[in-house]
Amino acid sequence: GAVVSQHPSWVICKSGTSVKIECRSLDFQATTMFWYRQFPKQSLMLMATSNEGSKATYEQGVEKDKFLINHASLTLSTLTVTSAHPEDSSFYICSARWHTGELFFGEGSRLTVL
Amino acid sequence: GNSVTQMEGPVTLSEEAFLTINCTYTATGYPSLFWYVQYPGEGLQLLLKATKADDKGSNKGFEATYRKETTSFHLEKGSVQVSDSAVYFCALILYNTDKLIFGTGTRLQVFP
Repeated sequence: GAVVSQHPSWVICKSGTSVKIECRSLDFQATTMFWYRQFPKQSLMLMATSNEGSKATYEQGVEKDKFLINHASLTLSTLTVTSAHPEDSSFYICSARWHTGELFFGEGSRLTVL
Repeated sequence: GNSVTQMEGPVTLSEEAFLTINCTYTATGYPSLFWYVQYPGEGLQLLLKATKADDKGSNKGFEATYRKETTSFHLEKGSVQVSDSAVYFCALILYNTDKLIFGTGTRLQVFP
């Protein structure tokens, strides 16, 4: 199957700093990628849909200026958490759509904001 | 609204025991239903799926049947192995959309 990789797998940062998380499709091109976040003991919640070469589509309640998504190539989407605060601490997961329509997921990135 | 409810874990079993992880859903229209599995240190992987009522998805000895009358999609395996230890997510996708709605995940721990 296809492989999707996220980096970093975990990151700790100070409040007020920005953090970038990368999502790469390693062996296929993905025009569409998705970003999710998961709080402890809660469901994965879709944050936004990332389309290569165009602006991301954000879900209701997700601040687009807070969570910047860039899908500049067919194999890379990035999520930047700007001016991070402790409440942004979460597990962030990306997925990429394969040509069959099936979704392949990254390993996830755990963000801790101190 | 649309949602998925899973039993809380962890589920702890001995090797060769029978496994059931309950999943029920609420959805408008006719969703497709999925089970994803996440092994330690890896991304979510599609385990099985069913796209219409009474369909049975199966893979690696796991099975789940799409029950419209009870809005359920329970995951079962007759004899679990230590290597099945992972987190299992039930999910649905609404017709003509590409938005997966997940349950909270259930951690399965299998001991020898």
